Amino acid sequence: GAGVSQSPSNKVTEKGKDVELRCDPISGHTALYWYRQSLGQGLEFLIYFQGNSAPDKSGLPSDRFSAERTGGSVSTLTIQRTQQEDSAVYLCASSLQGAYEQFFGPGTRLTVL
Amino acid sequence: AQRVTQPEKLLSVFKGAPVELKCNYSYSGSPELFWYVQYSRQRLQLLLRHISRESIKGFTADLNKGETSFHLKKPFAQEEDSAMYYCALAKVNGQNFVFGPGTRLSVLP
Repeated sequence: GAGVSQSPSNKVTEKGKDVELRCDPISGHTALYWYRQSLGQGLEFLIYFQGNSAPDKSGLPSDRFSAERTGGSVSTLTIQRTQQEDSAVYLCASSLQGAYEQFFGPGTRLTVL
Repeated sequence: AQRVTQPEKLLSVFKGAPVELKCNYSYSGSPELFWYVQYSRQRLQLLLRHISRESIKGFTADLNKGETSFHLKKPFAQEEDSAMYYCALAKVNGQNFVFGPGTRLSVLP
């Protein structure tokens, strides 16, 4: 079946612009995660959605970052007033529920000029 | 707070040599531990999890609660094992996975 998909695959934007990154999880997966992977760094947890529970936003680096998950499926990560340090690969993953195997998307490479 | 450390950023071994990728964690509860791998130009994917006690592609990992470690081992490395390896920890209730910084394994011919 279809895996996790993310769009766009690449995004180049100018400093100060807003961007939206989209994640389509595997159908039926109730858990959805967003991570950031910077060059030379590991995976940085951003936010976690589990079913209808309030999301765990503890990893969001600033209030410029927000995410929502509509209808328990598609998720959008929004970065407002982008900065150069936001440049990274943003990964989305989904799983049947927490603590189960996470299936990762291909990522969106964001470049802020 | 949960924390995962992988002391080696880069590990180079020759083909056929044993390999051990180190992972240590800190967590006050009972952790769920995983190894994820990312091959060149591929997605990050699960390699193995401690609860399954399985061997995948010749790799094994044993959870040592006394040493709070979950090192990944393979007796004879192959060139196709070259990849980025991440150790990860999840709370038993599944919230807030924490990944280590990763170790890049390079298996030389």
